[in-house]
Amino acid sequence: DGGITQSPKYLFRKEGQNVTLSCEQNLNHDAMYWYRQDPGQGLRLIYYSQIVNDFQKGDIAEGYSVSREKKESFPLTVTSAQKNPTAFYLCASSIGDNTDTQYFGPGTRLTVL
Amino acid sequence: KQEVTQIPAALSVPEGENLVLNCSFTDSAIYNLQWFRQDPGKGLTSLLLIQSSQREQTSGRLNASLDKSSGRSTLYIAASQPGDSATYLCASLKMYSGGGADGLTFGKGTHLIIQP
Repeated sequence: DGGITQSPKYLFRKEGQNVTLSCEQNLNHDAMYWYRQDPGQGLRLIYYSQIVNDFQKGDIAEGYSVSREKKESFPLTVTSAQKNPTAFYLCASSIGDNTDTQYFGPGTRLTVL
Repeated sequence: KQEVTQIPAALSVPEGENLVLNCSFTDSAIYNLQWFRQDPGKGLTSLLLIQSSQREQTSGRLNASLDKSSGRSTLYIAASQPGDSATYLCASLKMYSGGGADGLTFGKGTHLIIQP
């Protein structure tokens, strides 16, 4: 089955801890994205990567970090510097030529206790 | 900065009705306009993508239109069914001078309920 997987589905973190969210795709897509969704809100772009070993900040990158060491993987780390990390995090991928849609994973719901 | 607005925020209609969801965007320099569906607690499912050079796209009972000059897009759902109940999100892919794949700018969505 081709698609995007995110793990875990639910994640709880104590205040002050860093946590890493996993995103893997087997669609052979070049581009990958991380979005954050808050209740009643649309998605906001955190980071995106057009190619391996390269990534750019989105609209709300502060308090987050990413890496893109492999084409299939784009993990997101939520650091203790992120002031309000409780949210629903969605990963997406696309071919990357601006003509194709983005395909989304099932999401990870992060709750800070 | 691109801003995307969706009206109405919520809509409840009886089964069988035709309905229209509205989306507006502030910057017409876009690559494409996309419509997604999101079920509660789930990821997004792509419904329709309209390239900037196109006026509309159709898939089954769904039809999406794009008017770049006025900064508007509509999603038309024909003969609505209870299974259409979900949140519908509109998103634009803006042009940047550097090219390449950039992130989407989303509206806040329209929460749609189809009453059986």
